[in-house]
Amino acid sequence: NAGVTQTPKFRVLKTGQSMTLLCAQDMNHEYMYWYRQDPGMGLRLIHYSVGEGTTAKGEVPDGYNVSRLKKQNFLLGLESAAPSQTSVYFCASKGYNEQFFGPGTRLTVL
Amino acid sequence: AQSVTQPDIHITVSEGASLELRCNYSYGATPYLFWYVQSPGQGLQLLLKYFSGDTLVQGIKGFEAEFKRSQSSFNLRKPSVHWSDAAEYFCAVGYTGTASKLTFGTGTRLQVTL
Repeated sequence: NAGVTQTPKFRVLKTGQSMTLLCAQDMNHEYMYWYRQDPGMGLRLIHYSVGEGTTAKGEVPDGYNVSRLKKQNFLLGLESAAPSQTSVYFCASKGYNEQFFGPGTRLTVL
Repeated sequence: AQSVTQPDIHITVSEGASLELRCNYSYGATPYLFWYVQSPGQGLQLLLKYFSGDTLVQGIKGFEAEFKRSQSSFNLRKPSVHWSDAAEYFCAVGYTGTASKLTFGTGTRLQVTL
C-alpha cells in the first residue's frame, strides 16, 4: 500500500495563477482532509470530505475549492493564487480513529 | 470550540536526557488526544493516541504520554532521548463528530545536542 500520496511535491506559482493539488489514498477511507502548515501556526484545516461527492469547509477555507469525485481522490484547487497561500499543504485520510498524512506539497506564490 | 496549547516553541535536550513536552487542551467532553512527530521535510507520523481507559499510553519509538483530566493535559515523555528524535512534535485533539476533525497545537521543535 502506498498510503496517502500527494502530487506535486513542490510548485511555484505567480500571483493570480491557478493550480490543483491531488491527494490519493489506497486505504478505502471515507474521510479525507486538506490542511495547511505555516510556521508557528501548526496545521489548520482547509476543507474536508466525509465521503465521495461530499465536501465541507474547515477553519481556513477562503481562496480554496475542493472536489471528491472519486472515493480515493481529494483535490484542492486554488483559482487565483495569492502570496498568502504560500504554505506547505498536507492531505490526510482517516482510518479507525487515526488520520494518516501524506508527505506534503510545498507551494510558493510569488 | 476545542483548542490545544503547546507552551514550548523550542526545547533543547542533551542526548540521553529525559524529555517532557507539554500539551494542554480545551474541550468540553472527553477528548481524543494524539501526538504526531514531523521530521524535517516529511509528513506527520502518529506517535500515540488516547481514547479512553488507561491514562498512561505507550507509543512508538519509546514515547509515552499521560492523560490528566484534572489538568487538561496530555504531556509526552521519553526517558532517554536519541539524536534521531530531533523533530517537531504536534499535539492534537479530536472528537467523534461527523467528521472527526482534529485541532492541532502550534508544535514544539526539539533539538538534541550530542
